[in-house]
Amino acid sequence: EPEVTQTPSHQVTQMGQEVILRCVPISNHLYFYWYRQILGQKVEFLVSFYNNEISEKSEIFDDQFSVERPDGSNFTLKIRSTKLEDSAMYFCASRPMNTEAFFGQGTRLTVV
Amino acid sequence: GQNIDQPTEMTATEGAIVQINCTYQTSGFNGLFWYQQHAGEAPTFLSYNVLDGLEEKGRFSSFLSRSKGYSYLLLKELQMKDSASYLCALASISTDKLIFGTGTRLQVFP
Repeated sequence: EPEVTQTPSHQVTQMGQEVILRCVPISNHLYFYWYRQILGQKVEFLVSFYNNEISEKSEIFDDQFSVERPDGSNFTLKIRSTKLEDSAMYFCASRPMNTEAFFGQGTRLTVV
Repeated sequence: GQNIDQPTEMTATEGAIVQINCTYQTSGFNGLFWYQQHAGEAPTFLSYNVLDGLEEKGRFSSFLSRSKGYSYLLLKELQMKDSASYLCALASISTDKLIFGTGTRLQVFP
């Protein structure tokens, strides 16, 4: 069964460094998302991406964040100048038209 | 904005039936989703309602009443592996992004 894959599964980075989280959505899906879940808290929407551009972003998704679809398969989230409070689980999700979103297994980011 | 409320925790016994409620205040949405999330894992899709009424999928059913701003997830014949968080989420009209509630942590006891 097709699945959304994310790498790495764990990432430890020093405060102030840049990280790139990678996702390979399911191949025929049209909509791509990044979500974040701080430990013990709810899943929060960050950004949606459709037709090679950002379609919506939350107030969390400020200039520190950016997304790219550099080729036909990858979808990346870049976090610049990481802060301690960026430590969280980051989930990528994708979906075709009018059905549920499928989530990747997540990248656990720890900023030290 | 959208407010989505769920009970924080629930407990139930193996073999029993449990109903997890979700209430919301929003100006509009495409559909209401239920996801299951085990600790440290990704949310996995359970059920989806667009129209009012009951959707049944095996041991899981979900109900929606748009006029009452209310949904529930019904889990039958509970198993130990059903111990997890259950997330209610609304799909926005514009981009179908999911807005999640805080989730209900269900513990199933023998």
